[in-house]
Amino acid sequence: GQQVMQIPQYQHVQEGEDFTTYCNSSTTLSNIQWYKQRPGGHPVFLIQLVKSGEVKKQKRLTFQFGEAKKNSSLHITATQTTDVGTYFCARQGGSEKLVFGKGTKLTVNP
Amino acid sequence: DTAVSQTPKYLVTQMGNDKSIKCEQNLGHDTMYWYKQDSKKFLKIMFSYNNKELIINETVPNRFSPKSPDKAHLNLHINSLELGDSAVYFCASRMRGRNSPLHFGNGTRLTVT
Repeated sequence: GQQVMQIPQYQHVQEGEDFTTYCNSSTTLSNIQWYKQRPGGHPVFLIQLVKSGEVKKQKRLTFQFGEAKKNSSLHITATQTTDVGTYFCARQGGSEKLVFGKGTKLTVNP
Repeated sequence: DTAVSQTPKYLVTQMGNDKSIKCEQNLGHDTMYWYKQDSKKFLKIMFSYNNKELIINETVPNRFSPKSPDKAHLNLHINSLELGDSAVYFCASRMRGRNSPLHFGNGTRLTVT
């Protein structure tokens, strides 16, 4: 279906450790977007990946789009307490619909 | 400030009541959405309007009725509220086109008692 599977559902790390969340689809994706939602906040757009094998970086965050455009990952190097939140991937579900994965909730122990 | 703003931020009401949530965006976007986020943080699309025209209507009970008086506003009216309607409702907008990001409002936390 149109759903994207996101794993893990929860991740708890010590500050300074790395973190990765994965987004998988059974069908080819036209593009993938990533959002971050802080506790009590609203989802905020981080980045969009469009090309096969694309890698984009934002400071300590590295986003990858698989060669087959069926999976994507978000990797955070040396997590900080400010990274706490839920990270969502989202795919186009046809027309103007944006379908979200179930998210990965990251907690960071200082 | 340029933003997506929705009111109220919190809404506590009893079962059976009717309530509305309002949303406005001044970003000049064509398309607006309502998403529901349940207690497990799952973001589910409910409706979308493009320039006042309904373009997405997911399997939402017909107690929920969106209305878009113009492309900058999208309201959500809920009749006969039920306990299961308790959630955070997010309004969002974006420019039409598959590569444009969503801009979310701050959310309305609805609690039905």
